[in-house]
Amino acid sequence: NAGVTQTPKFQVLKTGQSMTLQCAQDMNHNSMYWYRQDPGMGLRLIYYSASEGTTDKGEVPNGYNVSRLNKREFSLRLESAAPSQTSVYFCASSEEGGGSRNQPQHFGDGTRLSIL
Amino acid sequence: AQKVTQAQTEISVVEKEDVTLDCVYETRDTTYYLFWYKQPPSGELVFLIRRNSFDEQNEISGRYSWNFQKSTSSFNFTITASQVVDSAVYFCALFYNAGNMLTFGGGTRLMVKP
Repeated sequence: NAGVTQTPKFQVLKTGQSMTLQCAQDMNHNSMYWYRQDPGMGLRLIYYSASEGTTDKGEVPNGYNVSRLNKREFSLRLESAAPSQTSVYFCASSEEGGGSRNQPQHFGDGTRLSIL
Repeated sequence: AQKVTQAQTEISVVEKEDVTLDCVYETRDTTYYLFWYKQPPSGELVFLIRRNSFDEQNEISGRYSWNFQKSTSSFNFTITASQVVDSAVYFCALFYNAGNMLTFGGGTRLMVKP
């Protein structure tokens, strides 16, 4: 009964280092998402993938890249980490496809990332 | 532009009190969906409810109830007879078709004291 699995759960990076956050879902969902959560700001969408092979920018995509490796996996990469990217990152998935995202999203447990 | 406002950043109540969490939204779209999510201290986000813009019926699920009023652009969440386990951050979110994006409010931290 895993749902959405994110790795790692915690990570500390130095400014300029690169890192890939991994996400996998076992619910056969078409759509997957990456959010960041900062204090007092709720969650903001970084990138999303409406279906395997497609990705689109969300509200705050700068400094990030994504890869939809297959239907199950959606990774988020920081090429050159900056202190402003210190945040909690959440991956989510939902059932619909075709870019329509009004179905409930199921979230992973989050990755707490600190950049010094 | 779309926006979700949760004006109450923190609420503290004593167990068994009723509490209402406010959510006000802005959108120009006529078709949209509203959500509530719960984030307990463990950190995960738990889906609570989805409501579309054409369905203004209030909903009750156990101790939880939701009041959707298009006239005031509000989608408020009431917990009846609160319990310590209700302590969490609650997020209201808006999805609108034109933007194809889920927009979250800033969240309300609810603390239920025994």
